[in-house]
Amino acid sequence: QVQLVESGGGVVQPGRSLRLSCAASGFTFSSHAMHWVRQAPGKGLEWVAVISDDGSNKYYADSVKGRFAISRDDSENTLYLQMNSLRAEDTAVYYCARDRGSGYYDIFFDYWGRGTLVTVSS
Amino acid sequence: QLVLTQSPSASASLGASVNLTCTLSRGHSSYAIAWHQQQPDKGPRYLMHLDSDGGHTRGDGIPDRFSGSSSGAERYLTISSLQSEDEADYYCQTWGTGGLHVVFGGGTKLTVL
Repeated sequence: QVQLVESGGGVVQPGRSLRLSCAASGFTFSSHAMHWVRQAPGKGLEWVAVISDDGSNKYYADSVKGRFAISRDDSENTLYLQMNSLRAEDTAVYYCARDRGSGYYDIFFDYWGRGTLVTVSS
Repeated sequence: QLVLTQSPSASASLGASVNLTCTLSRGHSSYAIAWHQQQPDKGPRYLMHLDSDGGHTRGDGIPDRFSGSSSGAERYLTISSLQSEDEADYYCQTWGTGGLHVVFGGGTKLTVL
């Protein structure tokens, strides 16, 4: 069955960096676009970034553009999120999610991980 | 601007049915959406994809108690024979171009009485 397992969360000071990972299994990883979505404490879902199935296209929410970078390693079936210049408002549970397709159109998530908590605090 | 609007809360009795609504912003009434469920302290779960004509496709393992329908800019999630485990937050989601981006509704918190 499809499994997405996030890791790498923790407590980090403002201005510092953190890299999240998402280990995927149970499907052909290279055939799907992948996303990061976050949820601040007590708030709703906020989309963060997407990488297409072939890794050639990446898009970001305005709130993280220029600070976060999404990448993938198809040989390891792993998705990454490099987060730089972290701010207090980046505090959230970060979920990875599988796209139904390639990530070029018809963008809908069909599987989610359980999330990893990132806390940005001094 | 592409926006999805949901009522913050809804309630219904055990065994009854409930309709949750997601409204697309003006000019976007032809958009498909997806419904996702988030039970307390869990990650979200994909429920279904819902087209503008009401056609819907449920996710793996989603019971047919969950169904979708559409009317104009409104997208509906109907849950029948409510169970206690249906108490959760429900989010609608779609996507837009002009710099590809994903949009979520604010979520509806469903209470099962």
